[in-house]
Amino acid sequence: QVQLQQSGPGLVKPSQTLAVTCAISGDSVSSNIAAWDWIRQSPSRGLEWLGRTYYRSKWYNDYAVSVKSRITINPDTSKNQFSLQLNSVTPEDTAVYYCARSIAEAGTDRKFDYWGQGTLVTVSS
Amino acid sequence: QSVLTQPPSVSGAPGQRVTISCTGGSSNIGAGYDVHWYQQLPGTAPKLLIFGNSNRPSGVPDRFSGSKSGTSASLAISGLQAEDEADYHCQSYDSSLTGWVFGGGTKLTVL
Repeated sequence: QVQLQQSGPGLVKPSQTLAVTCAISGDSVSSNIAAWDWIRQSPSRGLEWLGRTYYRSKWYNDYAVSVKSRITINPDTSKNQFSLQLNSVTPEDTAVYYCARSIAEAGTDRKFDYWGQGTLVTVSS
Repeated sequence: QSVLTQPPSVSGAPGQRVTISCTGGSSNIGAGYDVHWYQQLPGTAPKLLIFGNSNRPSGVPDRFSGSKSGTSASLAISGLQAEDEADYHCQSYDSSLTGWVFGGGTKLTVL
């Protein structure tokens, strides 16, 4: 059974960097079939996919257009975890941030089958 | 404004059947990408409910079913139970945005 455990500060000041980490158990961040994603949820924007990291003989990242200039997702193979950094945050970045595993199986498109518990991050001075 | 459009709310009495629609466009559902559905109970993370348009993960009751046609998909819940009261979200891939997209979510109230 895959479990994702998130950690990170709940309050970030405007213009600073938001950072959340997701520890994986029951799978590997270096999996050749899974990807490791970040998704956020706010009342105004609903669920919003932010980006992913995955390993297919080398590391790849994909980012949503809406945050591409400000986001970095990094794997940490020594701790079997991955992290989200979002720079230059504004109050509009206030949301619950989720990590998730995505996988494509049985001839179907990629789906998010395991989720972390969520981290409420508030951007405020 | 979400890329996929869902009704904000639906309701039904215990035992009844309700459906939730998810409407997209030619770059997502209409392009042939699968639709997945998630159930989100209050205060918890979304949980995969239906994948690949109509498949149920192990443990999901057969009261839940999904379908897809053209640029839309639907989630049906039959034999409504009080524990089904939750938010439901559809999700697909969008080739124009080159990323994964969600509906705005539908709140199901069991009367």
